[in-house]
Amino acid sequence: QQQVKQSPQSLIVQKGGISIINCAYENTAFDYFPWYQQFPGKGPALLIAIRPDVSEKKEGRFTISFNKSAKQFSLHIMDSQPGDSATYFCAARGSQGNLIFGKGTKLSVKP
Amino acid sequence: GAGVSQSPRYKVAKRGQDVALRCDPISGHVSLFWYQQALGQGPEFLTYFQNEAQLDKSGLPSDRFFAERPEGSVSTLKIQRTQQEDSAVYLCASSPFQFPTEAFFGQGTRLTVV
Repeated sequence: QQQVKQSPQSLIVQKGGISIINCAYENTAFDYFPWYQQFPGKGPALLIAIRPDVSEKKEGRFTISFNKSAKQFSLHIMDSQPGDSATYFCAARGSQGNLIFGKGTKLSVKP
Repeated sequence: GAGVSQSPRYKVAKRGQDVALRCDPISGHVSLFWYQQALGQGPEFLTYFQNEAQLDKSGLPSDRFFAERPEGSVSTLKIQRTQQEDSAVYLCASSPFQFPTEAFFGQGTRLTVV
């Protein structure tokens, strides 16, 4: 059973455009929702995170929108740049502290 | 070192061989995680330690997989009698907190079973 569902699998955006990645979860015990960015050959690195008592969090060009009632959250990348091309993973923290990851979205930003 | 260090970076094992993968977390980090990442997939949770205590091993796919962290720092993931389906990148992550927010990942060990 996939606990965190992520879409789309891949995304192509023009430079300067907005990239949007969506995630949905079922387990209401999840209490922390980070997004990770991964470049080829590297481990994932934390990009931005949100707690379920907040509906939106913005850090620079990156924004998380969180809808607790719908059990959905999304990552928006404004003014997307070629350097943003990477794989993005949403995740959720379970009651034991472990992070459950989505399957990832491969983002390509075309110049 | 400043980050999480994993060794070896690459490992080729013959089917049936036992392997041991090492993780050196950031010094002082309480929590340590192991994940398995198949090609083109997200990291799949394997197991979680707080200090030397293994709090959750529900993600270990079979009894061929075993992890330990005897002194609460370095951890080893051991896979016995490797199978082709074990081929993946094994990621280790650590966090300074008991209930982690940010987890810092190593670069992973790419295991190929032939």
